[in-house]
This record gives sequence, C-alpha cells and structure tokens, in this order.
Amino acid sequence: GENVEQHPSTLSVQEGDSAVIKCTYSDSASNYFPWYKQELGKRPQLIIDIRSNVGEKKDQRIAVTLNKTAKHFSLHITETQPEDSAVYFCAAIPLAGNFGNEKLTFGTGTRLTIIP
Amino acid sequence: DGGITQSPKYLFRKEGQNVTLSCEQNLNHDAMYWYRQDPGQGLRLIYYSQIVNDFQKGDIAEGYSVSREKKESFPLTVTSAQKNPTAFYLCASSMSVLSEEQYFGPGTRLTVT
Repeated sequence: GENVEQHPSTLSVQEGDSAVIKCTYSDSASNYFPWYKQELGKRPQLIIDIRSNVGEKKDQRIAVTLNKTAKHFSLHITETQPEDSAVYFCAAIPLAGNFGNEKLTFGTGTRLTIIP
Repeated sequence: DGGITQSPKYLFRKEGQNVTLSCEQNLNHDAMYWYRQDPGQGLRLIYYSQIVNDFQKGDIAEGYSVSREKKESFPLTVTSAQKNPTAFYLCASSMSVLSEEQYFGPGTRLTVT
C-alpha cells in the first residue's frame, strides 16, 4: 500500500518569512495530493491540492509543487501570518478508477508555529 | 459548521465497555470514513463506506466495527478488543470514494480508563 512520509514534524518561522513542508510517497500510481490544515481544536480542512498532470499550483500565499519522478511534493507558504499556525497534513491517493481500492493515505503532520 | 456532525465531543468510558461514536452528514455524500488521530501519527483510516450497507476495513480496523444502514449515518463502535482506544476520532465524508475532497466532522475525543 501507499506510504506517505512528511517532514519536518514541527516548524517555527518568523512572521513574514516562508515555510516549506515536504512529503514523499511510495506508490507511483498516486495521482492526487491534497493538503489539509487543522487549527487547534478544529477539524481538518482542505487548503490546496494538486493532480499529477501538473507540477505546481498556487493559491494566493500558498503553493504546492509536485515532482513525480522523485515522488515528492511540497507545500509552500509565503508571507506567513499568525493565523497560519496549525497542523498541516499531506496526503496521497491513486484516483485511478480501481473502485474500492482508493483511499487517502495521510502523512504524520507538521505543526507550524508562526512567531510574531 | 454544518454538514457533518459528530457527537459527543468528549466521551469517557471504563475499560472493557463497548462505546459507539456517532457520525451524521446532510451533504448527500455516498462515501464516509472513520479516522483515528494520535499525536505524531497523523490520520489513520479505520473503516470506510462507499455506499449504504457496504463498508471496508481500513489500515487499523482491529477492535472496531461499523454499520451503514442509512446514507446519512456511519456510527463507529469501539469494542473492548481495541487495545488502546483512547484517541481523537474523526469522521469524514465525500461525494464518492473517487471524489477529491473529504469533509471532516469536528471529532470525538474518547478517553478510556
């Protein structure tokens, strides 16, 4: 099955600086890679995702890059703000139409702290 | 915060007792999921259901059971066979298993002593 590794487990950055979280996956069939943000005491929510047919996707201050050859993808947050403090999870899934076998595999999470 | 709800928010049980966690969604989603969240271990899939009256084991199904008698409801029972049941449990749903986004409930924190 799929195995997703996520690094670092904790990350502290000064407000205004950039933050980068990296994930690697093992199943070359995985083709959809979402990122979820979980604020303290709240439910995880999807913040950005990328499909394997593109190498980069951007949404305002957040971006995700994907290297299919190396099987890794990264979340980039620029101009960080205090409200970016949260736990971030990456995930991977092979949405290949093999009905019944698709399930999201999550990374272990990164606790991001923005220092004012 | 509507759409998918879990109750209760906190649950306390004595060791050896079965306990059932509730998950309800009004999003008309076919697929529903149960995850367990432990510090430093991310979200691990317990069970998932693609459609009513059907469900599949996830990665850590031992000691848990589920039912899917209605589209809106996917209760999880933590049995006395689960060796380490204290955890935060998250329910999620998506339009189908092939859908991209999963919507999560607020979670139930279960403490077993």
